[in-house]
Amino acid sequence: DVVLTQTPVSLSVTLGDQASISCRSSQSLEYSDGYTYLEWYLQKPGQSPQLLIYEVSNRFSGVPDRFIGSGSGTDFTLKISRVEPEDLGVYYCFQATHDPFTFGSGTKLEIK
Amino acid sequence: VQLVESGGGLVQPGKSLKLSCSASGFTFSSYGMHWIRQAPGKGLDWVAYISSSSGTVYADAVKGRFTISRDNAKNTLYLQLNSLKSEDTAIYYCARSFNYAMDAWGQGASVTVSS
Repeated sequence: DVVLTQTPVSLSVTLGDQASISCRSSQSLEYSDGYTYLEWYLQKPGQSPQLLIYEVSNRFSGVPDRFIGSGSGTDFTLKISRVEPEDLGVYYCFQATHDPFTFGSGTKLEIK
Repeated sequence: VQLVESGGGLVQPGKSLKLSCSASGFTFSSYGMHWIRQAPGKGLDWVAYISSSSGTVYADAVKGRFTISRDNAKNTLYLQLNSLKSEDTAIYYCARSFNYAMDAWGQGASVTVSS
């Protein structure tokens, strides 16, 4: 199975600063159709998760442009510029390139 | 888009349970669907996927014990959970698939496996 390793495990950020989360895969996530099925989700406290980024770098509808996904192959990054209070929660990467699909273990973002 | 899970509860180890996810606000038959679970205090754990044409994919931990299915006439997704173990205790979420990404989630159904 594909293992997604997220770092750091937790992150404490000052409001207005940038946060960066890494997701490394044990295998390349580029599928034979040319797409890379790597997504990012945010689970806010007490809520269901929500989709932020799909296919590495595409922001989902309504997601602020402060959220930027990048990467290729096995290394991926989510950057959050100008962190706001509503950004706190746990961020997960997820891959749907290889069967079975898998989540990373999560990165908890706290506001200083 | 609305997804509402039901069917959760307390069940003994080795027993079975069937979860339902009622979908509304979109053309259910046109979308793949996922089940995802989250054990108490833990991270997200992907469980199963069913495509719009009913092809299925399972996590290794549930393969052979859980079955994902759908009834397009009823706009409902199901997850049959058999041979339940204590480690299956979790909140179970259904989610709509958008190019395999999960773009809409339900509020979850709680499953507790305990004697």
